[in-house]
This record gives sequence, structure tokens and C-alpha cells, in this order.
Amino acid sequence: DQQVKQNSPSLSVQEGRISILNCDYTNSMFDYFLWYKKYPAEGPTFLISISSIKDKNEDGRFTVFLNKSAKHLSLHIVPSQPGDSAVYFCAASGRRGSTLGRLYFGRGTQLTVWP
Amino acid sequence: EAGVTQFPSHSVIEKGQTVTLRCDPISGHDNLYWYRRVMGKEIKFLLHFVKESKQDESGMPNNRFLAERTGGTYSTLKVQPAELEDSGVYFCASSQDGETLNEKLFFGSGTQLSVL
Repeated sequence: DQQVKQNSPSLSVQEGRISILNCDYTNSMFDYFLWYKKYPAEGPTFLISISSIKDKNEDGRFTVFLNKSAKHLSLHIVPSQPGDSAVYFCAASGRRGSTLGRLYFGRGTQLTVWP
Repeated sequence: EAGVTQFPSHSVIEKGQTVTLRCDPISGHDNLYWYRRVMGKEIKFLLHFVKESKQDESGMPNNRFLAERTGGTYSTLKVQPAELEDSGVYFCASSQDGETLNEKLFFGSGTQLSVL
């Protein structure tokens, strides 16, 4: 009963191009969404987040889009750089009545940016 | 400032043995979480401590898993007896008390557990 789904296990993009990572969720109670980045042998690190009251949040090269009606979010990286190569996890939480820090993660997407 | 520290980084044990994982949260962080990622699957919540109290342990797979946080500082996660399906990476994370932003959750590097 996976509540957060990342259906693409991998994505390969040329340096300088746009990377688009997708995520779908099933629980309509989720109202806060995050993207984490993970390098090998390291823990996930926070990248960017979005609240359900917004449909877009931007931070430098990273933009997250949220489509609540479709229960879909995406992470855009423009321009992509080789250092962006990592596993990206989509995560969700429900603020209302839920435990802070209990996140529901997807399976991750391995992004490879080649020169 | 030191981050979340976990050890060992790797543990290889045989089925039926006992393993204890340790997590040292960031100093001053009252919230401590355990997560697990089985190979190829999602990262799953196991439990949440606030200081020494278990706030939510609904993610613990079964009674072979025991988590403790005596004194509200470091935490241990014991698996006894270990089974093959317990293999995976166990992550610990911490955050400050009263923190309302999920992005202020800091993860350790994880313990890779292999049960043979």
C-alpha cells in the first residue's frame, strides 16, 4: 500500500538540459511535500519542499510543481549538472493530526547527469 | 556542529543472531526517528521518540525489533533474532523539539544490515 510512488527508477540527462522527476501520491490527507537527495553511503538531505496551498516553489535551479487535483508533483532541475547525479526521493506528510517527522517516501529515482 | 551519527556503518550477521544499531542525534534534538529502506523499496518509517518516550512506534515490523532511548540522548535499535527480510539500510533522523518544518529533519548516513 505504497502511498507515494516514483514510477521511474532511473533518469539520464545531458549536462545543461532539464531534469524532470515525477512523483504521485494517493493519500489526499497529505499536505506537505518534500524532495530529498541522496548520495551513495550518505543519508538523505533535504532539497526543496512545497505546501499544498501552493502550486510552485522555486529555489535556484530547483523548482517543485504540485498538482493537487492529479495528486502529482514534479521536480525540475535546470540546468542539470553532473553533481546533481544522485537518488532523489519524493516524500509527503500530513500536518493535520500527524506526527512531525513521519514522512512517507517513494522508492527514489536515480538521476544521472552526463557531460 | 556534528550531524546525526550512526554505527556501525555496516553489519553482516547470520540469521538468528542479534544485532544492535546505535544512533546519536544532533545535540539538543529531542525528536529522534528510525527509518528503514529495504533494497529497491521506499524508505519506511519505523518509530519516533520524543526525548526518551516513544511517540509513535506504529511502523515497527514486529516484536523482534526493540528500540530504546534511555536518558533521551542516543538510541539503540535491536533486532533479535534477525531474519533474512530484515536486511536493508536503517536510517536515523533527528529534529529539534517544537520544530514544525519537516525539512528540519536531519538524517544520518545509515547502517547497512545484511542478514545471511
